Amino acid sequence: EDQVTQSPEALRLQEGESSSLNCSYTVSGLRGLFWYRQDPGKGPEFLFTLYSAGEEKEKERLKATLTKKESFLHITAPKPEDSATYLCAVQAPTALIFGKGTTLSVSS
Amino acid sequence: DSGVTQTPKHLITATGQRVTLRCSPRSGDLSVYWYQQSLDQGLQFLIQYYNGEERAKGNILERFSAQQFPDLHSELNLSSLELGDSALYFCASTPAGRVPGELFFGEGSRLTVL
Repeated sequence: EDQVTQSPEALRLQEGESSSLNCSYTVSGLRGLFWYRQDPGKGPEFLFTLYSAGEEKEKERLKATLTKKESFLHITAPKPEDSATYLCAVQAPTALIFGKGTTLSVSS
Repeated sequence: DSGVTQTPKHLITATGQRVTLRCSPRSGDLSVYWYQQSLDQGLQFLIQYYNGEERAKGNILERFSAQQFPDLHSELNLSSLELGDSALYFCASTPAGRVPGELFFGEGSRLTVL
């Protein structure tokens, strides 16, 4: 069964304190792994697509990496505006399978 | 602003009732997806339409149905509502030729069943 597990469920950081979010997945034939950001009361916003182990994508303070069983979202020197829920998803044959997300809070 | 419009934003109704949620995809996007988000289950795929035809089905209850109209807007109908149907319902769209997992989500319709 295709499955996505994200950890931790919640993460509190001080501004400037770098960290990583984890996404473990089980899927029969990876067709793509996706990261989304969701702000409270809003719909998810697409961030990155990764296809193969070793691939990396960057956007501002965020960098996503992929291995054969996991993906990491590294946050370097976060700012309060990076506070959000980060969702990981894998492409299954018929739809995206989402994890439950990691809620990041960054305080100044 | 993703360009995907959902109405209503909030809806409060009673058990046993029926509601219709509406979605207007981004201009030109042929694919429309419906997702349900609850605190315990996270984002769950319900159903996908492509240019008016059902393309894929997820964990959509028999009490729920959807359709996509010739102008590409979509409606999700929820009937015989139960307390457990209270959730955020998201619509997403994507243009032809774009990676299927790169979706544009609307802001959602929050359904509360009392």
